[in-house]
Amino acid sequence: DADVTQTPRNRITKTGKRIMLECSQTKGHDRMYWYRQDPGLGLRLIYYSFDVKDINKGEISDGYSVSRQAQAKFSLSLESAIPNQTALYFCATSDSGLAEETQYFGPGTRLLVL
Amino acid sequence: AQSVTQPDIHITVSEGASLELRCNYSYGATPYLFWYVQSPGQGLQLLLKYFSGDTLVQGIKGFEAEFKRSQSSFNLRKPSVHWSDAAEYFCAVGPPSGDMRFGAGTRLTVKP
Repeated sequence: DADVTQTPRNRITKTGKRIMLECSQTKGHDRMYWYRQDPGLGLRLIYYSFDVKDINKGEISDGYSVSRQAQAKFSLSLESAIPNQTALYFCATSDSGLAEETQYFGPGTRLLVL
Repeated sequence: AQSVTQPDIHITVSEGASLELRCNYSYGATPYLFWYVQSPGQGLQLLLKYFSGDTLVQGIKGFEAEFKRSQSSFNLRKPSVHWSDAAEYFCAVGPPSGDMRFGAGTRLTVKP
């Protein structure tokens, strides 16, 4: 089984709808991240969480919210989806206990907003 | 502010030829540097990382990268490219716990 899983893998929704993307990990890492990937722009950080009670905004948090339901689960919500939120979304995790802390990525969720 | 520039959007090399992908960064302190690879339809896989010490870093799949502080560069190299190396490559600068910045990516095509 994959260490970092994302559901759904693909999603089509309409403008104005609320949707949630979910991320689960079995790596036992304390830190989790949400990124979006757009062609020509690389990955940009949306939100990150150092533990269940610690949520931080990233570079592009407007229009998004997150919930850290447990150490292993981190969800990203689009309260009212808009077409420019069409992108590939990645969840990542890292272990703060390691001297060379490194982020590990899930397989991605491809979102299309019509 | 920290940032990463990958000057080459797309590179084509022949199978068996050598490869160098360029990465330049801007960072206020000693940087944490990473190279990730993304195969079609896949997530990002870590190739290698630099935190400190030896400036020549070895990674998986035969890749290496050299940190050059004077040039603010962290170029990725491979002596002989295989067809399976065709993918998109991303350079990133840390810290890994939070505001890590990625380059726009370099797409590698391998000719038979």
